Amino acid sequence: AQSVTQPDIHITVSEGASLELRCNYSYGATPYLFWYVQSPGQGLQLLLKYFSGDTLVQGIKGFEAEFKRSQSSFNLRKPSVHWSDAAEYFCAVAPFGNEKLTFGTGTRLTIIP
Amino acid sequence: DAMVIQNPRYQVTQFGKPVTLSCSQTLNHNVMYWYQQKSSQAPKLLFHYYDKDFNNEADTPDNFQSRRPNTSFCFLDIRSPGLGDAAMYLCATSRALSRENQPQHFGDGTRLSIL
Repeated sequence: AQSVTQPDIHITVSEGASLELRCNYSYGATPYLFWYVQSPGQGLQLLLKYFSGDTLVQGIKGFEAEFKRSQSSFNLRKPSVHWSDAAEYFCAVAPFGNEKLTFGTGTRLTIIP
Repeated sequence: DAMVIQNPRYQVTQFGKPVTLSCSQTLNHNVMYWYQQKSSQAPKLLFHYYDKDFNNEADTPDNFQSRRPNTSFCFLDIRSPGLGDAAMYLCATSRALSRENQPQHFGDGTRLSIL
């Protein structure tokens, strides 16, 4: 069965600084990979997804993620964070042909002035 | 805008009193999901409908049931809510294709409190 690890439970970043959130997955083949963001009291919003092709994926709100097969990683990055980026971020994986997502435990992002 | 709508946003019920949460979608997606999310945890899939086919997760308690009367609507019924069922319940939809997985679109959730 697939699994997702987000090793950082909580990250604090200064506004304007760069950000990288880590995600590692365990799966026998290349899975479908997603990053979702959840603001307090809200549902999950899709930031970006990777299915195949270019390993650097651009998403909404200035986020990008890079798929590295050799490291089984799909880290999320943003060059300059804004206060509105404070939220919970979930990495998720789904095997090919199976619509069920497996989520990581999430990383809470705090932005300080 | 096409979307996933959950009602109500907040629901309070009494211990043991049945409660129904609703989800509707205007995306015409054929797959609908229900997740339970407890505080500071990842969403946990309870079950999903692939068209009319119901798929229950092995560890979903019998206390949780679901109905999908048509493509647009899906309901989550909790027959006898316990204190441990207090959580955010998220509905999601996706358009399953044979060649690739389409991402899931989430509603804003219903926060359920048990008195």
